[in-house]
Amino acid sequence: ETGVTQSPTHLIKTRGQQVTLRCSSQSGHNTVSWYQQALGQGPQFIFQYYREEENGRGNFPPRFSGLQFPNYSSELNVNALELDDSALYLCASRGPRDRDNEQYFGPGTRLTVT
Amino acid sequence: DQQVKQNSPSLSVQEGRISILNCDYTNSMFDYFLWYKKYPAEGPTFLISISSIKDKNEDGRFTVFLNKSAKHLSLHIVPSQPGDSAVYFCAASRNAGGTSYGKLTFGQGTILTVHP
Repeated sequence: ETGVTQSPTHLIKTRGQQVTLRCSSQSGHNTVSWYQQALGQGPQFIFQYYREEENGRGNFPPRFSGLQFPNYSSELNVNALELDDSALYLCASRGPRDRDNEQYFGPGTRLTVT
Repeated sequence: DQQVKQNSPSLSVQEGRISILNCDYTNSMFDYFLWYKKYPAEGPTFLISISSIKDKNEDGRFTVFLNKSAKHLSLHIVPSQPGDSAVYFCAASRNAGGTSYGKLTFGQGTILTVHP
C-alpha cells in the first residue's frame, strides 16, 4: 500500500479522442511523475511536476500534458489519441525528503485505444 | 535507444536457491541504480538501490552488485522464496546537481518464477 491511487482502473477510448487520467498522492508529496508502460516493456518517463510546474519531460509529444494541484492530486491529459497510446499509465510521487528511490507508484490506469 | 537493458525476459528457480537478475546500461552519466518489483495489478515497488560510488549494497536477502567498467548490475536473491515471484525492473537515474530530478530509465523487466 503506497498511498498513491489512480483512476480509473481501466479505460477504453477511440482513436482521435481525448483522455484524462487522475492520480492522488500522499499528503506532502509535492513531486509527481508520470510513466507509460507498453505491453512487455518497462515504464517510460513522460514528465514530472514539482510544486504544480513541469520540471522535466521525456520523449513524448506535446499532446501529452499534465496538471498538478495543491491538494496533491494530478492529471495526465492525452489529446488526439493514437493506437500506440494503448498502455498502462503509472504515476509516482514523493515528498521533499524522499530520494529518487523513494518514488511511490500507484497501481496504474490501463488505457486501450481502438 | 534502449539505455537500460534486461536481456533475460524470464527466469525460473527452485525455492531456496539463488536468483540472479542482470541488467546492462549504456549511458555513463547514470549514477544511481534501482531495482523495483512489480506484482500484477500493482505499481512497481522499490526494492533496493545502489549509488555509483559503491559496488555492492545488501539488504536482507537482496544484494545488488554494480560493475561500472562493464556497465552492468545484478540483483541476487538468496534464498529465493515463492513470494518473490514477480516482474523485476532495473532502473537508472542521473542526480543532476543534487536537485531532485525523478526521471527513471527502466529496463524491460524480467519475470521471476520461484517454484516451491
